[in-house]
Amino acid sequence: AQSVAQPEDQVKVAEGNPLTVKCTYSVSGNPYLFWYVQYPNRGLQFLLKYITGDNLVKGSYGFEAEFNKSQTSFHLKKPSALVSDSALYFCAVRDNIGTYKYIFGTGTRLKVLA
Amino acid sequence: DAGVTQSPTHLIKTRGQQVTLRCSPKSGHDTVSWYQQALGQGPQFIFQYYEEEERQRGNFPDRFSGHQFPNYSSELNVNALLLGDSALYLCASSLEGGPRTYEQYFGPGTRLTVT
Repeated sequence: AQSVAQPEDQVKVAEGNPLTVKCTYSVSGNPYLFWYVQYPNRGLQFLLKYITGDNLVKGSYGFEAEFNKSQTSFHLKKPSALVSDSALYFCAVRDNIGTYKYIFGTGTRLKVLA
Repeated sequence: DAGVTQSPTHLIKTRGQQVTLRCSPKSGHDTVSWYQQALGQGPQFIFQYYEEEERQRGNFPDRFSGHQFPNYSSELNVNALLLGDSALYLCASSLEGGPRTYEQYFGPGTRLTVT
């Protein structure tokens, strides 16, 4: 069965510092992995995805994520955080073997302090 | 280029009633998925429609049903509403095939309150 874990409910970081939001997953086959961001009273916005290929994936707004197969992780990173990055971040996974179902984590609230 | 639109924005219903939520996908998209997001939780997959057929369903009872029309728009119907159905209902669209396959674009959601 597919599952996603976001072990931190909240991450706080000072503006200008690097940030990491953690995600681990479990799937039967090879994973398709995603990060989405949700601002208050808005739908989710796609940030980036890993399907295959290079383990380091670059996405929107300067975010990137590293796929680590041995640790079954897909952590979201940004070299220098902005106050405007403060939002709710969701990791999601989809199996590559005959399913169209996306599983989302419970979300991590990122707070960037000025 | 219009993104994903959903209607209505907010809805208040009474237990036992039925509700229909509507979604228009992003222009050019042919696949629609529906999610339920309870307060403080991540989105839970309800089902996905492609070519007017439900091709995947999550762990939701038969009270939840849907439809996709030839223009790719979609409806989510919930019968016999329960208090626990109160949530934000999100519609996401995507395009099958091509470099942007698997990228879902979400609408702003419909906030359903069941009293």
